[in-house]
Amino acid sequence: ELKVEQNPLFLSMQEGKNYTIYCNYSTTSDRLYWYRQDPGKSLESLFVLLSNGAVKQEGRLMASLDTKARLSTLHITAAVHDLSATYFCAVDKGRSGNTPLVFGKGTRLSVIA
Amino acid sequence: GAGVSQSPRYKVAKRGQDVALRCDPISGHVSLFWYQQALGQGPEFLTYFQNEAQLDKSGLPSDRFFAERPEGSVSTLKIQRTQQEDSAVYLCASSLGVSGNTIYFGEGSWLTVV
Repeated sequence: ELKVEQNPLFLSMQEGKNYTIYCNYSTTSDRLYWYRQDPGKSLESLFVLLSNGAVKQEGRLMASLDTKARLSTLHITAAVHDLSATYFCAVDKGRSGNTPLVFGKGTRLSVIA
Repeated sequence: GAGVSQSPRYKVAKRGQDVALRCDPISGHVSLFWYQQALGQGPEFLTYFQNEAQLDKSGLPSDRFFAERPEGSVSTLKIQRTQQEDSAVYLCASSLGVSGNTIYFGEGSWLTVV
């Protein structure tokens, strides 16, 4: 059974600082997704990582995937308050096509002045 | 519309009542997913359609839950004889159905069973 674990689950960081959120998963997959969720809102797609060594960047966020280690990271550079949200990683449990995602529990990020 | 649309956005049901939640996926999207998200948790998979075919319903928690997508577009998630533990946000998502495609989520239907 595919399990996805994120850490930390809660993160309070100061504006301007850097930090990394980790996502480990238990079985082979080369498709990993990062989403952002604001309170009371739906999930916004941030990144889709499709191969070992994939790295994608958007603004202050950078995501990477190491399929051999079954690990993805979401790195936050020089955090700003607008990044406060819950971040989820999710892994595609199938081998082809779009199959259901298994989500981690989420990392609740709070950026403080 | 431009995104995945769900209705109702909010529903309060008395215990034992039946509810129906509707999802309008993005036009042309082949794959449609239903997830359940409890407060403070990540979404948990319920069921999945490819066009009108329900390919996986392993996440449905009991036989009180039923989903359909008869014409391969709009989908309905029905919960019979609701119970308090059914209170959650029900998220619908859709995609083009090709490996690695972005999966787009709707705003969710917030169900509270009292």
